[in-house]
Amino acid sequence: ETGVTQTPRHLVMGMTNKKSLKCEQHLGHNAMYWYKQSAKKPLELMFVYNFKEQTENNSVPSRFSPECPNSSHLFLHLHTLQPEDSALYLCASSHRTGATYEQYFGPGTRLTVT
Amino acid sequence: AQKITQTQPGMFVQEKEAVTLDCTYDTSDPSYGLFWYKQPSSGEMIFLIYQGSYDQQNATEGRYSLNFQKARKSANLVISASQLGDSAMYFCAIFSLRGTSYGKLTFGQGTILTVHP
Repeated sequence: ETGVTQTPRHLVMGMTNKKSLKCEQHLGHNAMYWYKQSAKKPLELMFVYNFKEQTENNSVPSRFSPECPNSSHLFLHLHTLQPEDSALYLCASSHRTGATYEQYFGPGTRLTVT
Repeated sequence: AQKITQTQPGMFVQEKEAVTLDCTYDTSDPSYGLFWYKQPSSGEMIFLIYQGSYDQQNATEGRYSLNFQKARKSANLVISASQLGDSAMYFCAIFSLRGTSYGKLTFGQGTILTVHP
């Protein structure tokens, strides 16, 4: 069991490119999350999917487009990004543990927009 | 809204000594949980310890313990017998269901811990 995996680990793209980030978990979790981690800022929740349905969009610009084809896979499609979008993008999935829901994180994709 | 404050941008500790990382929180939810995560330079967030708001005893996990003071709204992480491998960024986060069936985490700014040999 490898937990939550993310590909690619590193990505450099120009502002006119289109790319996708992939997240995969085979832990049987029903909720999956995208976070953005910029330098010197707390993790920012971007999107949440629960049972493949998008349940949260925290005012994320439309140049970020999430997709959840099934409970095990989550994508983040990127197009016409800005340099300020350079950050570490973390994926997580969660399940119930007692009275709480523990989130398991992937290793992240470090994105640089040039 | 929920808020986590970590006032120590950086901390230094000597190997084998104990260190306390501070965390204060603010929430209006009657039921919540506090998490601590470790993030090495590789980027992955590693779960360390959890404390529920109704838990009577402070949580412990090996060398990690959580000093939970509900009235003061603080949830400090104590690492005993520090090791070189403990050098990393540490995040405090507050969890709440907030009407969802999956819960959400709100993170603090993090504290960079450096362990000296």
